[in-house]
Amino acid sequence: DGGITQSPKYLFRKEGQNVTLSCEQNLNHDAMYWYRQDPGQGLRLIYYSQIVNDFQKGDIAEGYSVSREKKESFPLTVTSAQKNPTAFYLCASSMASGFGELFFGEGSRLTVL
Amino acid sequence: EDKVVQSPLSLVVHEGDTVTLNCSYEVTNFRSLLWYKQEKKAPTFLFMLTSSGIEKKSGRLSSILDKKELSSILNITATQTGDSAIYLCAVGDSGYALNFGKGTSLLVTP
Repeated sequence: DGGITQSPKYLFRKEGQNVTLSCEQNLNHDAMYWYRQDPGQGLRLIYYSQIVNDFQKGDIAEGYSVSREKKESFPLTVTSAQKNPTAFYLCASSMASGFGELFFGEGSRLTVL
Repeated sequence: EDKVVQSPLSLVVHEGDTVTLNCSYEVTNFRSLLWYKQEKKAPTFLFMLTSSGIEKKSGRLSSILDKKELSSILNITATQTGDSAIYLCAVGDSGYALNFGKGTSLLVTP
């Protein structure tokens, strides 16, 4: 079945450690996105990519990094520079960037101890 | 300043009630408005409204886009406990990513 797979589902990190969240899609979508969700905050855009080897910062990119070496994959690294990384992270993809339906992964919940 | 504002932020109703969720937006070059339901993890798509499709309905759920008022409503009739979720509104404009509101948390009690 086509879809988006995020891993791990749950992750615990010590302060000062970098962690990488995986996102893989087999929908043949060009556009991919990373969102952060905190209680009562909706979804806030971290990074997005419209095509392989290209990505742009979203509204809250500080302390995060991404890569897009393959169409199917868009991993997110939460660096030690991110001051408050405990959150729920959602990866999404779409055929048309900016206005069409987003397809979401199941999310990754990161907790910093 | 938020581009997309949802109201109310939370709502508690009894099973069988009808609820109306609101979404207003302020974007240039409006292209689409989408509604999602999020129960525990991944948001699931409900409707997409555009200038050429301002009204959608699926079972007990319906949505209308008012381009003059820059807003949309999501109606749920005869609510069930399974309707308890966060409902997210997102708007597409000339940018490369949807703009999301903060969501409405709906709790339907038996």
